Amino acid sequence: DVQLVESGGGLVQPGGSLRLSCAASEFTFSSASMNWVRQAPGKGLEWVSSISRSSSAIYYADSVKGRFTISRDNAKNSLYLQMSSLRAEDTALYYCASRSCSDGECPFDHWGQGTRVTVSS
Amino acid sequence: EIVMTQSPATLSVSPGERATLSCRASQSVSSNLAWYQQKPGQAPRLLIYGASARATGIPARFSGSGSGTEFTLIITSLQSEDSAVYYCQQYNDWPPWTFGQGTKVEIK
Repeated sequence: DVQLVESGGGLVQPGGSLRLSCAASEFTFSSASMNWVRQAPGKGLEWVSSISRSSSAIYYADSVKGRFTISRDNAKNSLYLQMSSLRAEDTALYYCASRSCSDGECPFDHWGQGTRVTVSS
Repeated sequence: EIVMTQSPATLSVSPGERATLSCRASQSVSSNLAWYQQKPGQAPRLLIYGASARATGIPARFSGSGSGTEFTLIITSLQSEDSAVYYCQQYNDWPPWTFGQGTKVEIK
């Protein structure tokens, strides 16, 4: 079974930084676009960032643009999210999710269990 | 940005009955629509993609329909383990990939 395991979450002060990681196994990581999706406490799902298979295309939600940086290392089957200038509203459970296209269909097909980020003084 | 709107916010259904969930897009997303199930304390799981195709391992009691701006997820013969929040998501026009606000299905 595909496994995505996030790590790196924690408590950080406003204005601080944090780096999240997502380790992938049991699938061809380099063949999937990867995404970060977050869920604030008691709220719905919000797409945060996406990176293509070769890192040639990167996208960010307006809410994090200029503060977050997504990257990946296909040799290590790993996805990263460098978060800086963190705000209270960034407090959420952060999921990594793969997006593998098949017959033109590209949903978010596999999800990790999430890593919690709390921004508070 | 395409806005996805789900209704109702909460649905209370008796075991064995049918649940009908709706999702509306602010503009056409063709059939590029997915449904996800999120049980308490768990990550979302892909249920339906392409508006109507079941993902691997998803029981036949889950079915999706629609195209353009109107979509429906039907759960027939509801079981206790179907208690969850269900989200629709469009992947036709991105970025951003956008989700609905969710429908919570409760078992009476």
